[in-house]
Amino acid sequence: SQKTEQNSEALNIQEGKTATLTCNYTNYSPAYLQWYRQDPGRGPVFLLLIRENEKEKRKERLKVTFDTTLKQSLFHITASQPADSATYLCALTRYNFNKFYFGSGTKLNVKP
Amino acid sequence: GAVVSQHPSWVICKSGTSVKIECRSLDFQATTMFWYRQFPKQSLMLMATSNEGSKATYEQGVEKDKFLINHASLTLSTLTVTSAHPEDSSFYICSASARGGSGNTIYFGEGSWLTVV
Repeated sequence: SQKTEQNSEALNIQEGKTATLTCNYTNYSPAYLQWYRQDPGRGPVFLLLIRENEKEKRKERLKVTFDTTLKQSLFHITASQPADSATYLCALTRYNFNKFYFGSGTKLNVKP
Repeated sequence: GAVVSQHPSWVICKSGTSVKIECRSLDFQATTMFWYRQFPKQSLMLMATSNEGSKATYEQGVEKDKFLINHASLTLSTLTVTSAHPEDSSFYICSASARGGSGNTIYFGEGSWLTVV
């Protein structure tokens, strides 16, 4: 069965540094890979989507890479701020978007 | 941007009663809506996928008679937890799929906290 893994439960970094979160998957290559931010007690908020034929996507301080050979996506936050502290989820889906496979999330703590 | 509204945000009910949670897409038509359940410090667990006008597709292990899903229109889906028990207490989140130029994007509601006492 399809699995999405975010091996790091938590990541602690210093303000101003770059945070790098990892998402690995098994079985088939997804058509799309998405990253979400979730704050405690709130629903996830969409951040970025990257397609299987794209290597990299950027949005302001965020960057996502997609390596279908390694079956891995990396999510980077540059110049991290304490306000970036949250849980980040990756999700895989195929072309028909009829099912999303979420990772368990990585809790990012940015210390001032 | 697209907004998905979920109501109520939190609800406390007595064991044995039924609770209905609504999920509305406010500024787009959602052909597909998803219902998730999330336990503390865990990821979202997909319960079911619902398409407007058809029966919901439930994930393995989810009781369809206990978690009733109705997707009556392109902007509204409801989840009814029937004969609720304390173990049903959880954070329930809905999401709706919006088709766009970059492919589909999923927008989530704010979630509904259910406590069964």
